[in-house]
Amino acid sequence: AQTVTQSQPEMSVQEAETVTLSCTYDTSESDYYLFWYKQPPSRQMILVIRQEAYKQQNATENRFSVNFQKAAKSFSLKISDSQLGDAAMYFCADLTRGGKLIFGQGTELSVKP
Amino acid sequence: DVKVTQSSRYLVKRTGEKVFLECVQDMDHENMFWYRQDPGLGLRLIYFSYDVKMKEKGDIPEGYSVSREKKERFSLILESASTNQTSMYLCASTETSTGNTIYFGEGSWLTVV
Repeated sequence: AQTVTQSQPEMSVQEAETVTLSCTYDTSESDYYLFWYKQPPSRQMILVIRQEAYKQQNATENRFSVNFQKAAKSFSLKISDSQLGDAAMYFCADLTRGGKLIFGQGTELSVKP
Repeated sequence: DVKVTQSSRYLVKRTGEKVFLECVQDMDHENMFWYRQDPGLGLRLIYFSYDVKMKEKGDIPEGYSVSREKKERFSLILESASTNQTSMYLCASTETSTGNTIYFGEGSWLTVV
């Protein structure tokens, strides 16, 4: 079964510091895509970063980067130089070639000034 | 430029009523999804569709059905609403299973009394 697990319900980081959000997944497919989405209080889903499983290079987007460990089925998100606007719920997701898109339980990130 | 539209943002229904949640996308996407979001449980996949008249069960299909008669419209149906179906429902669509951008609706808040 395809599953995505986020083991940290809540995380907190000081402004300007670095924080890492964890995500593990389980899929039997060899070709898939992984995502991190941000959901602020408005509930709008915002794409943070995307990783293609066949690419070994870790994806980066400005202050956001991932540590993709395919063998371990781990896909963590690192946020550098945290800003107050980064406070939100973060979801990890897995999209398989078969078209099934599964999300994790979410991690609520708070940023302290 | 609205791309995924959920017609009902807030609904209050009575137990036993039949409820229709509509989702329309204007991007000619093949794949469409319905999720429910509950605190601590993240986004759970109810059903998804990869083509007109094609549907697949997600992780929590019990008590729900779907309809996709036209490519742009994916409807979620609660045949007989119950109080445990009170939740926020989120629709999403994506072009194919190639990991391209996933678009989300704004969510439908359903309260069953």
